[in-house]
Amino acid sequence: GAGVSQSPRYKVAKRGQDVALRCDPISGHVSLFWYQQALGQGPEFLTYFQNEAQLDKSGLPSDRFFAERPEGSVSTLKIQRTQQEDSAVYLCASSRSSYEQYFGPGTRLTVT
Amino acid sequence: GQQLNQSPQSMFIQEGEDVSMNCTSSSIFNTWLWYKQDPGEGPVLLIALYKAGELTSNGRLTAQFGITRKDSFLNISASIPSDVGIYFCAGSYYAGGTSYGKLTFGQGTILTVHP
Repeated sequence: GAGVSQSPRYKVAKRGQDVALRCDPISGHVSLFWYQQALGQGPEFLTYFQNEAQLDKSGLPSDRFFAERPEGSVSTLKIQRTQQEDSAVYLCASSRSSYEQYFGPGTRLTVT
Repeated sequence: GQQLNQSPQSMFIQEGEDVSMNCTSSSIFNTWLWYKQDPGEGPVLLIALYKAGELTSNGRLTAQFGITRKDSFLNISASIPSDVGIYFCAGSYYAGGTSYGKLTFGQGTILTVHP
C-alpha cells in the first residue's frame, strides 16, 4: 500500500520567495501533522489537522507559515517571504488514530 | 522548542553486539514511540508503547515504557550492519476526550555498526 508522499523532495528558494510544500497522506487517515527538522535535530511539531480542521497551529514559527487541508486529504504548507532560518526538512505524518504517526520522506528546503 | 533528553548521542559498535539507548522527559507522556531515520528519508516507526511498564518487542528490538511515565528505553540485540541510522524517541500526552498525539522528539542517537 502507498505510504505518505511529499513533493517536491528538494526545493531551493531565493530569500524572499514564497514556497508551497505538498503532502499526500495515507488514504483514510484522518489526522495529519507537519513537523520541521533542523540539521542534526529531532523533528519539531508545526501544526495538526483532523480532517479539514486545523486544530493546532501552535508550532508555526511565524505568520509567514500557513497550512491548509481543504478537503481533508492533501495538505499544503506554504511559507511566504522565505528566510535563511527556514532552511530545514519539512516532514508530514498521517495517522488513523493520532497515536501511531507514519511519516513521509520529507521536503528539504534550502533558502539561499 | 521542547525536546526530550535522549542518550547516548552516538554509538559505535561491532556487528553482533547489543545496543541500549534511553529517553527521559521532565513531563509525563501517555504514549512513547521509537523511530529510525535513514539519511534523506523520513522517520520509520519501529515500536509504539501505550502503558506504563509495558515491554514490547519487534524482532530484535525491545522497548519499554518507564513506570514513572517519564522515560523509555530501546534495546537492539545482535546488531547487524543495516541497523545503522539515527534512532529517535518521541512522546505524546493527551488529556480528556480530544486527543491528537502531538509528538515531542528526542535529539536522536546515531548508531554506527562496524562489520
